[in-house]
Amino acid sequence: AQSVTQLDSQVPVFEEAPVELRCNYSSSVSVYLFWYVQYPNQGLQLLLKYLSGSTLVKGINGFEAEFNKSQTSFHLRKPSVHISDTAEYFCAVSATGTASKLTFGTGTRLQVTL
Amino acid sequence: GAVVSQHPSWVICKSGTSVKIECRSLDFQATTMFWYRQFPKQSLMLMATSNEGSKATYEQGVEKDKFLINHASLTLSTLTVTSAHPEDSSFYICSARGTGATYNEQFFGPGTRLTVL
Repeated sequence: AQSVTQLDSQVPVFEEAPVELRCNYSSSVSVYLFWYVQYPNQGLQLLLKYLSGSTLVKGINGFEAEFNKSQTSFHLRKPSVHISDTAEYFCAVSATGTASKLTFGTGTRLQVTL
Repeated sequence: GAVVSQHPSWVICKSGTSVKIECRSLDFQATTMFWYRQFPKQSLMLMATSNEGSKATYEQGVEKDKFLINHASLTLSTLTVTSAHPEDSSFYICSARGTGATYNEQFFGPGTRLTVL
């Protein structure tokens, strides 16, 4: 079984500042990793994913994440945030090889202010 | 591409009634769909995995007789909350597994807000 830990429940940041949202996972098998964003009263939108290959993954809206197998981490970063980035961000993991289900972290609320 | 819709987007019902929520993959065929439940300010909890033409697989602790799932076609899965009670009030989100190059991804619907009075 897999598990995901998002240590920060809330991250306040000023507009145009950089941000990092942390995600650590636990698994006895190889994994795929995902970051999703959720705006109020909406479903989830995929920001980026790591399936294989380069450990630095670039996604939509200027976000990127780096897969670090030794540290079992997949932190999400953005060099300069906007007010519109205010949302809930979820890290998720699934086992590779099979089309298995996603396990989500508890989410991080990114609050961007002027 | 890979758009998933849900209907209705919100529903209010009286305690004891049943409510059906539809999840549709609009531009692809989904052999597998997933149903999640999300409480306010919390993460998504997987309720069940729905496979076209077969019985759904429920997660531990989810009452299969209360949350009826039907996946009768490659583009439609339904979740029926039977004899709903206030504690069933929640945000229900479905997702559909992709095909081909996106087989390892899930595409999420916009969610359905259920309020049971």
